[in-house]
This record gives sequence, structure tokens and C-alpha cells, in this order.
Amino acid sequence: DTAVSQTPKYLVTQMGNDKSIKCEQNLGHDTMYWYKQDSKKFLKIMFSYNNKELIINETVPNRFSPKSPDKAHLNLHINSLELGDSAVYFCASSQDWGNEQFFGPGTRLTVL
Amino acid sequence: RKEVEQDPGPFNVPEGATVAFNCTYSNSASQSFFWYRQDCRKEPKLLMSVYSSGNEDGRFTAQLNRASQYISLLIRDSKLSDSATYLCVVIDSGNTPLVFGKGTRLSVIA
Repeated sequence: DTAVSQTPKYLVTQMGNDKSIKCEQNLGHDTMYWYKQDSKKFLKIMFSYNNKELIINETVPNRFSPKSPDKAHLNLHINSLELGDSAVYFCASSQDWGNEQFFGPGTRLTVL
Repeated sequence: RKEVEQDPGPFNVPEGATVAFNCTYSNSASQSFFWYRQDCRKEPKLLMSVYSSGNEDGRFTAQLNRASQYISLLIRDSKLSDSATYLCVVIDSGNTPLVFGKGTRLSVIA
């Protein structure tokens, strides 16, 4: 009964490719998030959606495009991948903005 | 830019020791505070919410000092299994970005 799931868990790809990461939560939460954790372990918020509406876009390059088809899903599409995009990407959800968050297991992206 | 600062450590302590971490924040209007724990190559997991009155959960005590703008986490009787990185989270009112601290690494040694 995974609460927040992400696929794939590992993603290795070449520079310039386009890739997507999927996230689903079965907690009935209204708010979902995408975070990037770089090699220095700094966890930085990228996007947040509340009831399928984008509420935070933290100066992320427009190569990154989140899509929320419904409250339970928040996918992340990345165009023209660059070396600096290599990181672990975490999806999370919370009942509402400002509540405790539940994280997915992360997607380890490696761009070669 | 709003800042959240944590001592990165590492804190190396023997089993049974008491250890405390602080997390300072710059925005006096911040309203919600949390401590998360992250094990190596795992996702962050909520450890405790931090309330104005402070809160305790077993060996863990979290406190908020609004006047000096910091939150603290106290771990008593440290166990080997407490070894992890501890992240503080500060959330402002409304839909402003929430900020994770960079984490404090704790190693409990036998």
C-alpha cells in the first residue's frame, strides 16, 4: 500500500533527450510537490500543485514542465536534458499547503 | 531571499548521549515548522511537527523560539539507529515557497 509512488526509480539517459517521471499518491491529498536533491544533498522545491492548479514555480528552467491530470498525479517532463539535471527527484504530497508531507522513494536521474 | 540555516555537522556522538540541533530562519512571519529525517539514499520522512508550545515524542523534543527565530531538536539516549540527516522545514503563510534546511548529519557510534 505505497502512499506516494514514483516511476522510474532509476533513469539513465543521454544529454539532449526528453524524459518523464511519474508520481501518484493514494492518500487523498490536495497538494503535491516536486523537489530536486543535488549531489550536495540540498533539497530544493521545484513545483507545487494544489487541486491540480500550479501554486509554486521556483525559478525552474522551462525545460521542466509539470503536469497534473488529476489530484492524485503529478508528473514531471524534462526536455533537452543537461548534465546538471543529474540529481534525485522526489515527489511529495500533503493534505493541504503547509501540512506534513509524505515523500515518494525518489527517482535517481543520471544524464550522460 | 528567505534563509533557513542548519549546522551541517557531522555530529559524532556515542550511544546514550544527548545531542541537540538548531535551525535558524530569517522570516519572522514563518508559521509552520517541521523536522524530517533522511537516511542515506532514502526519502525524507517526517519526524516531528514543531508547535509553539514545544512537543515531545519519546526521546525526541522539538522546540520553537520565535524571539530568536530558531527551532531545535533534542535527542536523548541516542541509538545507533538515530544515525541520519535531520532536515528542518520552515513554511511561511500563504502560498510562498517552503524551505528545507540543508540538513545536519548525525552519526551515533557504538
